[in-house]
Amino acid sequence: GDSVTQMEGPVTLSEEAFLTINCTYTATGYPSLFWYVQYPGEGLQLLLKATKADDKGSNKGFEATYRKETTSFHLEKGSVQVSDSAVYFCALSDQGAQKLVFGQGTRLTINP
Amino acid sequence: GAVVSQHPSWVICKSGTSVKIECRSLDFQATTMFWYRQFPKQSLMLMATSNEGSKATYEQGVEKDKFLINHASLTLSTLTVTSAHPEDSSFYICSARRETGLNYGYTFGSGTRLTVV
Repeated sequence: GDSVTQMEGPVTLSEEAFLTINCTYTATGYPSLFWYVQYPGEGLQLLLKATKADDKGSNKGFEATYRKETTSFHLEKGSVQVSDSAVYFCALSDQGAQKLVFGQGTRLTINP
Repeated sequence: GAVVSQHPSWVICKSGTSVKIECRSLDFQATTMFWYRQFPKQSLMLMATSNEGSKATYEQGVEKDKFLINHASLTLSTLTVTSAHPEDSSFYICSARRETGLNYGYTFGSGTRLTVV
C-alpha cells in the first residue's frame, strides 16, 4: 500500500540556518503530496502541496518539489526562524483512495 | 475559506461516561470527513473515514462500537467515545475533504484533547 517515510527527528537548528526535512513516498498511482505543520496543542495546517511531477509547492519561505524519479518531496527553507518550531508532516493522497497517508512527523526546534 | 471547526477543544470526563466530539465544515460541504487519533510525540493514526449519509469505514483495529461516528449532514460529523476509559485519553483530530472540480484538499480541525480520569 501507499506509504510515506520522513527523516527522523527531532531536528534542532539555530535561527537563520538552512532547513531540509527529507520525505520519500511509495505509491501505486500518481498521488498528490502535502506538507502539514502542527504547532503545540493544535491541529494540522496545510503548509504547501504539489499535485504532479516537477510541481513546486511554496509557502512562508518553505519549498518542496515533487520528484517522481526519486519519489521524494523534501521540505526546504533557506533561513529558519524561532516561530518555525513545530512538527512537520509529509503526506500523500491518492485520488482514488481519498484518505491522506502521513509520515511519522519531524519535530523541529529552532533556537535563537 | 475552508474552515473546519472542532468542538470541544478539550474535555475531561469520568471513566465509564461517553463523550461526543463535533467536527463542522463552516464554509464548504464535506462529503467525506476523517477522524484521527494522535498519541504524544507520534504521528496521526487514521481511525475512520466518515461519508455523509452512510456508515463510517473503520481502520483495522479500531472498535466501531467504542468509537461511534455519525455524518448526518454535509457539514457535520461527530465522534462519540463510548464508555471512555483512561486508555482512551488522547488528542483527536478531524479532517474534512473538500472538492472543487478536479481539485481536492483537506482541512483539519484544531483537535480535541480528551482526558479520562
